Amino acid sequence: KQEVTQIPAALSVPEGENLVLNCSFTDSAIYNLQWFRQDPGKGLTSLLLIQSSQREQTSGRLNASLDKSSGRSTLYIAASQPGDSATYLCAVRRGGADGLTFGKGTHLIIQP
Amino acid sequence: DTEVTQTPKHLVMGMTNKKSLKCEQHMGHRAMYWYKQKAKKPPELMFVYSYEKLSINESVPSRFSPECPNSSLLNLHLHALQPEDSALYLCASSQDRLAGDTQYFGPGTRLTVL
Repeated sequence: KQEVTQIPAALSVPEGENLVLNCSFTDSAIYNLQWFRQDPGKGLTSLLLIQSSQREQTSGRLNASLDKSSGRSTLYIAASQPGDSATYLCAVRRGGADGLTFGKGTHLIIQP
Repeated sequence: DTEVTQTPKHLVMGMTNKKSLKCEQHMGHRAMYWYKQKAKKPPELMFVYSYEKLSINESVPSRFSPECPNSSLLNLHLHALQPEDSALYLCASSQDRLAGDTQYFGPGTRLTVL
């Protein structure tokens, strides 16, 4: 059974810092990996999707990498802002119509 | 347009009530999903519909009954729920069968069972 782990569980940093969130998964036979953010009591906003054949994806200040063979992904956030405060979830997908298996998330606070 | 809509936003029901949650997307996606998220926990998959047919049921109790009347609409019928079923219910959709397809989530329905 696929298990997804996210480290750290919580992180608080001053505004402007660059930071890295980590995700690991136990079964490397994934279809793709997706990073989401979730604000309190809200739904999920997709940030980046990396296909199993890709190594990284970038969107603005966000960069996600994938090392499928070692079962790891990282989300890099550059020049953090208070508006980046949220819970960040990593999720992996097994096959075309399968659902996602989520990690427990990293709760991120950016101090003004 | 990458929007998935869910109604109602909030629902309070008693254990003997019957209610339904509704999810809609107009992106032409052929896969739709229900997830359940308890407080301070990650979402957990409940059901997957692919081309309007149920393809995955993650051993969900029968008091939850999904329905996909057409390719744009997904319902979750609720009956005889327990207080521990209180959670945020999230709907998602994706193009299906493509490695690069993103799952798009709706805002969720916050369900409280009394």
